Amino acid sequence: DTGVSQNPRHKITKRGQNVTFRCDPISEHNRLYWYRQTLGQGPEFLTYFQNEAQLEKSRLLSDRFSAERPKGSFSTLEIQRTEQGDSAMYLCASSLPLGPSYNEQFFGPGTRLTVL
Amino acid sequence: KNQVEQSPQSLIILEGKNCTLQCNYTVSPFSNLRWYKQDTGRGPVSLTIMTFSENTKSNGRYTATLDADTKQSSLHITASQLSDSASYICVVRRSNDYKLSFGAGTTVTVRA
Repeated sequence: DTGVSQNPRHKITKRGQNVTFRCDPISEHNRLYWYRQTLGQGPEFLTYFQNEAQLEKSRLLSDRFSAERPKGSFSTLEIQRTEQGDSAMYLCASSLPLGPSYNEQFFGPGTRLTVL
Repeated sequence: KNQVEQSPQSLIILEGKNCTLQCNYTVSPFSNLRWYKQDTGRGPVSLTIMTFSENTKSNGRYTATLDADTKQSSLHITASQLSDSASYICVVRRSNDYKLSFGAGTTVTVRA
């Protein structure tokens, strides 16, 4: 499968613990995006990378959240001191560089986080 | 206020019937509009994309329309199947911007 992959698919943790998610984008895509989706809502933008550079972070990304893409390939999203409000689906997407309007963001299957 | 509004929030239809989902947006300047299908517990998958000059686009039993003047789009599902049960999300992209504006989605349940 050459699509976007995410691991783990599900994560259950206790409040206060740290969690880390991984995203492997489509290999030739240099842009990578993280979104958060709560039940019954569309995805909300968290942050975006072009190659290894993190170019924008949403105000939703509090100081407990950190994302990295060290070699411009896979990315990790870490949440420190998790809170129950962090429970959501975390989606990763990747795309080719901004250009033709048809450049699509391809989404991974998501990581479902449950904070008890 | 969300720049992409979808209706209805949810609907239930019998297998074989048709249904139409609505999307109104205020995103400007407009680049393109996509409809995504999201199965439960999965990431969204693109069904159709339309730019300013396109009024209709089909993908199998899915037909999307776009009225860029009124900033409205619809997604019509013909002869629904059980596998059509999913959330359908309208996504609008602003010109020269990577950011996407997502609707909250319409949850479609197809019953036998």
